[in-house]
Amino acid sequence: SQELEQSPQSLIVQEGKNLTINCTSSKTLYGLYWYKQKYGEGLIFLMMLQKGGEEKSHEKITAKLDEKKQQSSLHITASQPSHAGIYLCGADRSEGGGSNYKLTFGKGTLLTVNP
Amino acid sequence: NAGVTQTPKFRILKIGQSMTLQCTQDMNHNYMYWYRQDPGMGLKLIYYSVGAGITDKGEVPNGYNVSRSTTEDFPLRLELAAPSQTSVYFCASTISVNTGELFFGEGSRLTVL
Repeated sequence: SQELEQSPQSLIVQEGKNLTINCTSSKTLYGLYWYKQKYGEGLIFLMMLQKGGEEKSHEKITAKLDEKKQQSSLHITASQPSHAGIYLCGADRSEGGGSNYKLTFGKGTLLTVNP
Repeated sequence: NAGVTQTPKFRILKIGQSMTLQCTQDMNHNYMYWYRQDPGMGLKLIYYSVGAGITDKGEVPNGYNVSRSTTEDFPLRLELAAPSQTSVYFCASTISVNTGELFFGEGSRLTVL
């Protein structure tokens, strides 16, 4: 079973539109990461959220962590073609509250931005 | 700055052959990871290491082996290649899991026929 579920699986938006990608964990979150991948390339780190209610921004991308819901959302404002790619959420699969450094990822959300 | 370097970038294997994917990093990172990425499946963790001499299994370790004799190198070994191991493999490293920032290599595309 997938411990990190992302929705939607894919998304097509018109340039300039806002969008949201969600990541839900089936286990307690002790930290959640967002990465972006361009086709055929490695992943690029966007941001990490550690505390419930925490919100961070990277250029026009904002992410929030809802610890109670074990969920994070990534919001892109005024999307541009440069935002296109695969967005993946990742988490440290800690057990018992301690970090075991086992960093795993969801399946990703494929974002297409049409000019 | 080289960062995380993976070799080879592309390889075709026959069923039953063996090979090693090389990964080296020059950032003195303790933590290193091997992932495989299949279409629509995100990244699956194969093995990881928290320091030289220490390795542990990830989500999909079967059919693979690793070693970590130095801080810099973390090779991934496929002993008896199977078509199910056709995938893109990524190596990554980080100085601290508290930052959440993994540095990824460019990937190695492996095809088993």
